[in-house]
Amino acid sequence: KNEVEQSPQNLTAQEGEFITINCSYSVGISALHWLQQHPGGGIVSLFMLSSGKKKHGRLIATINIQEKHSSLHITASHPRDSAVYICAVSSPLNSGGGADGLTFGKGTHLIIQP
Amino acid sequence: DTGVSQDPRHKITKRGQNVTFRCDPISEHNRLYWYRQTLGQGPEFLTYFQNEAQLEKSRLLSDRFSAERPKGSFSTLEIQRTEQGDSAMYLCASELVRGWGTDTQYFGPGTRLTVL
Repeated sequence: KNEVEQSPQNLTAQEGEFITINCSYSVGISALHWLQQHPGGGIVSLFMLSSGKKKHGRLIATINIQEKHSSLHITASHPRDSAVYICAVSSPLNSGGGADGLTFGKGTHLIIQP
Repeated sequence: DTGVSQDPRHKITKRGQNVTFRCDPISEHNRLYWYRQTLGQGPEFLTYFQNEAQLEKSRLLSDRFSAERPKGSFSTLEIQRTEQGDSAMYLCASELVRGWGTDTQYFGPGTRLTVL
């Protein structure tokens, strides 16, 4: 079963700061997902990636398959970015233990202060 | 709004009662997932469907839990003889998968269950 670790668990920063959230996993994956969860529960998918780097607006996600590590960066952070950011991985088919369901990290609680 | 809806949004029940939740996925999506999230934790996989077939069930899904997706569209998750430990947010997600790959999952708003 894949183990997904995120760091930091909590992060408070000032508006405008560059934010980095890290994610590591223990076994091979078919894809890694970054998700955003606001208070009240709604989860939104930000990125799905299996190699390299993706950018959407002020968000950048990178993944290093060899090191089993991914980072989510937020440039020019804003108070509306305050949320829980969750890393999740899809395991390859037939790996057992919920192969096609996502395995989630515990999330990083981000607060951006004005 | 992701296009995935869940009903009800909140459910309070007494221990021992049965509850049923419904998920309506994005209409053309062939995969549907159920997850459970307890306070302060990331979601955990429960089960998923490819069209109407239930293909995988987590060990978290005890015999008191049953899920269906009868026509490959909406899905229901039933919990029989609820226990206080069942209190959690139950999340549904749908996905359009071509072949045997994986793609972006779209999450519903969740059903928050409180068992008294």
